[in-house]
Amino acid sequence: GDSVTQMEGPVTLSEEAFLTINCTYTATGYPSLFWYVQYPGEGLQLLLKATKADDKGSNKGFEATYRKETTSFHLEKGSVQVSDSAVYFCALNLAAGNKLTFGGGTRVLVKP
Amino acid sequence: GAVVSQHPSRVICKSGTSVKIECRSLDFQATTMFWYRQFPKKSLMLMATSNEGSKATYEQGVEKDKFLINHASLTLSTLTVTSAHPEDSSFYICSARVASNEQFFGPGTRLTVL
Repeated sequence: GDSVTQMEGPVTLSEEAFLTINCTYTATGYPSLFWYVQYPGEGLQLLLKATKADDKGSNKGFEATYRKETTSFHLEKGSVQVSDSAVYFCALNLAAGNKLTFGGGTRVLVKP
Repeated sequence: GAVVSQHPSRVICKSGTSVKIECRSLDFQATTMFWYRQFPKKSLMLMATSNEGSKATYEQGVEKDKFLINHASLTLSTLTVTSAHPEDSSFYICSARVASNEQFFGPGTRLTVL
């Protein structure tokens, strides 16, 4: 079945550090890929997405590129802020079923 | 963007009672909504897909008689946890799908069963 694997956290960084969260997937078709962010006590918010190979999603300084050859969708940000402290989820869906499959989530803590 | 609300945001109930959680799409109509369960420090687990005017589709291992889902209108889906027990304590999150197939998530409901 379809699955998403992302690096376990927590990831602890200092402000202005570079952040990478690895995400790889397995899917039977050609999925769309997503990164969601969950701030403390809140629901999930879509951070960025990519719908086909080589697409790059970007938002709020975060970027992720859909790599079909490595079945990956790693999330990066060049300079994190304390406000980026949250849990980040990688997810995929196949257009036909539209069911989102989530990775386990990665908690990120940015210290001043 | 599309806004999804959930009510209540927190609920504490006694073991054996039933609890209803509402999920509303505030500025759009959603023929399909999804219910997820999130355990502490864990990922989201899809419980069921709720379709307006028809029966919900439950994921394997989810008890349909325990987690009753009703999608009576294009803007409202409800999840009722029947005869709740402490192991049902969790964070329940709904999402609503828009025409572009994107899902918008509600803020979640934290259920604590004593």
